[in-house]
Amino acid sequence: SQKIEQNSEALNIQEGKTATLTCNYTNYSPAYLQWYRQDPGRGPVFLLLIRENEKEKRKERLKVTFDTTLKQSLFHITASQPADSATYLCASAPQSGGSYIPTFGRGTSLIVHP
Amino acid sequence: DGGITQSPKYLFRKEGQNVTLSCEQNLNHDAMYWYRQDPGQGLRLIYYSQIVNDFQKGDIAEGYSVSREKKESFPLTVTSAQKNPTAFYLCASNQGREQPQHFGDGTRLSIL
Repeated sequence: SQKIEQNSEALNIQEGKTATLTCNYTNYSPAYLQWYRQDPGRGPVFLLLIRENEKEKRKERLKVTFDTTLKQSLFHITASQPADSATYLCASAPQSGGSYIPTFGRGTSLIVHP
Repeated sequence: DGGITQSPKYLFRKEGQNVTLSCEQNLNHDAMYWYRQDPGQGLRLIYYSQIVNDFQKGDIAEGYSVSREKKESFPLTVTSAQKNPTAFYLCASNQGREQPQHFGDGTRLSIL
């Protein structure tokens, strides 16, 4: 069955460092990967989308990569700030067959210490 | 401002009671979704609707029902058949296959 997995352990980093979060997928080829930010008690907010034929996308301090060989997407936040502390979710849907509706990972909690 | 409004923010259900969660959007999106989120779990799809007067079951539809009589509204009823309803419920909408989903701020449902 299709699986999308994120590291369940919280990532703790120091302010100013680069945070790197991982999203792994198995048993399917994603048409795209989306990344969302979720704050406690709030709904997820969309950040970035990367398609299967793209290697990298950037938006301000955010960068997403897509490696179809490793079956993995990495999400980077450079010059991290305490305000970046949140849970980050990845989501994807297969290129063909199955539902077009994205499956969400469990999310990884990021804690940026001042 | 365009967005999705969910109400109420907190809801309590008594045993044997049906409760309805509201979701309204003014983004003019065709597709709307209901998800359930439990601690440490990903979002699980309950129901979705791609167009008015049509909806499909998601992965965990048992014990839930929906309607889509208007484009803007997609209410979710948690019936008494749902034996473990305590969770955070999220409504979302989007327009197009790869388009990102816009989420409301959720309703937290608890059992009295």
